[in-house]
Amino acid sequence: QSALTQPASVSGSPGQSITISCTGTSSDVGSYNLVSWYQQHPGKAPKLLIFEGTKRPSGVSDRFSGSKSGNTASLTVSGLQAEDEADYYCCSFAGRVVFGGGTKLTVL
Amino acid sequence: EVQLVESGGGLVQPGGSLRLSCAASGFTFSNYWMSWVRQAPGKGLEWVANIKQDGSEKYYVDSVKGRFTMSRDNTKKLLFLQMNSLRAEDTAVYYCAREAEVPPALSYFDYWGQGALVTVS
Repeated sequence: QSALTQPASVSGSPGQSITISCTGTSSDVGSYNLVSWYQQHPGKAPKLLIFEGTKRPSGVSDRFSGSKSGNTASLTVSGLQAEDEADYYCCSFAGRVVFGGGTKLTVL
Repeated sequence: EVQLVESGGGLVQPGGSLRLSCAASGFTFSNYWMSWVRQAPGKGLEWVANIKQDGSEKYYVDSVKGRFTMSRDNTKKLLFLQMNSLRAEDTAVYYCAREAEVPPALSYFDYWGQGALVTVS
């Protein structure tokens, strides 16, 4: 099963909003709201940000939001802060478990 | 508090074997699917394998099929990954992760361990 497709990098200034895309197929991303998103700071374990496409776990800032259109899921980070600088991964459990290649977010 | 603590990582020669363990606490271990996810140095996350609550179903990424075996001991709340015929490309940090208590197709990883480094060289 092929990895989901994410941009390698995105950047934004503090206070701005950025969106990270995650493109799959009708068998994974396009199936219901199966995508989850994870944030990973250097040297740390990944942390769940979004599940079932749009839901946030308790304790995750509402500056993080998820959406989907067709076979592409998106993670939006609004009101960028320096602490948001990290790697972000999408993931789908449809069929087998598959991750996106990851996106490095740089806060300028 | 949910905790997952991996152990057993280290340096091993190509063709060698290693067994990773993951000690779970703070939740009813036997209620959850569990996974191993790895991350090669400077690379992205790669799902390796998962196991059903009672160990009756196991799934593996193609690149480790026939070499890695995942198992669990629900009485001791332990998860294992037996890795045989190791290759340089298996070098990675291996994370133990809990899958959410939802139907498999809707699942996601809600808790992660801190990771164990496996170096094959």
